[in-house]
Amino acid sequence: ILNVEQSPQSLHVQEGDSTNFTCSFPSSNFYALHWYRWETAKSPEALFVMTLNGDEKKKGRISATLNTKEGYSYLYIKGSQPEDSATYLCAFVTGNQFYFGTGTSLTVIP
Amino acid sequence: ETGVTQSPTHLIKTRGQQVTLRCSSQSGHNTVSWYQQALGQGPQFIFQYYREEENGRGNFPPRFSGLQFPNYSSELNVNALELDDSALYLCASSLGPPPDNEQFFGPGTRLTVL
Repeated sequence: ILNVEQSPQSLHVQEGDSTNFTCSFPSSNFYALHWYRWETAKSPEALFVMTLNGDEKKKGRISATLNTKEGYSYLYIKGSQPEDSATYLCAFVTGNQFYFGTGTSLTVIP
Repeated sequence: ETGVTQSPTHLIKTRGQQVTLRCSSQSGHNTVSWYQQALGQGPQFIFQYYREEENGRGNFPPRFSGLQFPNYSSELNVNALELDDSALYLCASSLGPPPDNEQFFGPGTRLTVL
């Protein structure tokens, strides 16, 4: 069974704090790594699709890095806002299959 | 541009029954993937359809089957329902198959098996 792990499981930060979380995945048979944000009562929304070792992607205050050789990706949020409160999921893609982690639940306290 | 839609929103079935869940993909998308999310877990990949053909399958038994239609909408069928099939079922469409095509998710169907 292929294991994708996310840490921490949950996180509470104050508004304005910066934060980061980790997605760990197998270092072999890597095709891509996807990050999604899933707000309560909404559909998961794609943040980043990362395919190359050393990739760095940015969207506003959110950025992500990728290390395929050691099997991890970091997601960073700079200056967290209450609207960033959501579960952040990563998905390891190998072949035509997606393997999701269990997510990091972020709560930003105003 | 219409997003991904799923029907029904909620469904209650009893053990042993059969169920069909439906997904309309986003305009221009030819690939649909189905996921099962049980409580406390991440989404588990069931299978994917690309241009009406199954294009990948996760570790689910054959009683989970699917279809993709010429308009790229899709169905997930589950036979002989078991209590453990109670979950949120998500579909996602994309412009093409993995690995680098972004997925657009629907709101999900909540299935309860009694």
